[in-house]
Amino acid sequence: AQSVTQPDIHITVSEGASLELRCNYSYGATPYLFWYVQSPGQGLQLLLKYFSGDTLVQGIKGFEAEFKRSQSSFNLRKPSVHWSDAAEYFCAVEPYTSGTYKYIFGTGTRLKVLA
Amino acid sequence: EADIYQTPRYLVIGTGKKITLECSQTMGHDKMYWYQQDPGMELHLIHYSYGVNSTEKGDLSSESTVSRIRTEHFPLTLESARPSHTSQYLCASSSSYEQYFGPGTRLTVT
Repeated sequence: AQSVTQPDIHITVSEGASLELRCNYSYGATPYLFWYVQSPGQGLQLLLKYFSGDTLVQGIKGFEAEFKRSQSSFNLRKPSVHWSDAAEYFCAVEPYTSGTYKYIFGTGTRLKVLA
Repeated sequence: EADIYQTPRYLVIGTGKKITLECSQTMGHDKMYWYQQDPGMELHLIHYSYGVNSTEKGDLSSESTVSRIRTEHFPLTLESARPSHTSQYLCASSSSYEQYFGPGTRLTVT
């Protein structure tokens, strides 16, 4: 069955430290890949996406993600975390070959930033 | 970027009441979605639509219903609210593979 795994439920980092959030997917072909951020009480904001091409993609707010086909991973990174980055982060995949235009979401990673 | 509006943002209502959560988008997207999200939890798709007069149930069973009479409007209705319906409801839309989300409606049924 298709699935998305975010192994870290909670992550705590100090402000200014680097960050990596993990995302692995299980799917026969390479799906379309997305990272979203959700601040408390808010909807989801798209950080970045990967469809094809360069495996390192740049997003908003200084985030980047790297697609690794051999590991079925799409990890999110930021070199220096700001206190305002504290939020919930969701990885999502869209198995476009199915033609359903529906996401499969991971369970999310809650990021806490220490001052 | 899509503009998606959800009203109300917060709703506290008693058991047995009928409620409608509104979702509108101004980008002309043909696809729209409703998700249910319990606090601190993942999102579950409960309804989706690929266009006017097209609605489908999502992966999570829900007692709510939806309609899509106009492209920009995708309301969700609960005929008789129950405490188990307490949750956050997120609406999204897309024209292709990228979904844009509204701010959500936090529903509390007492």
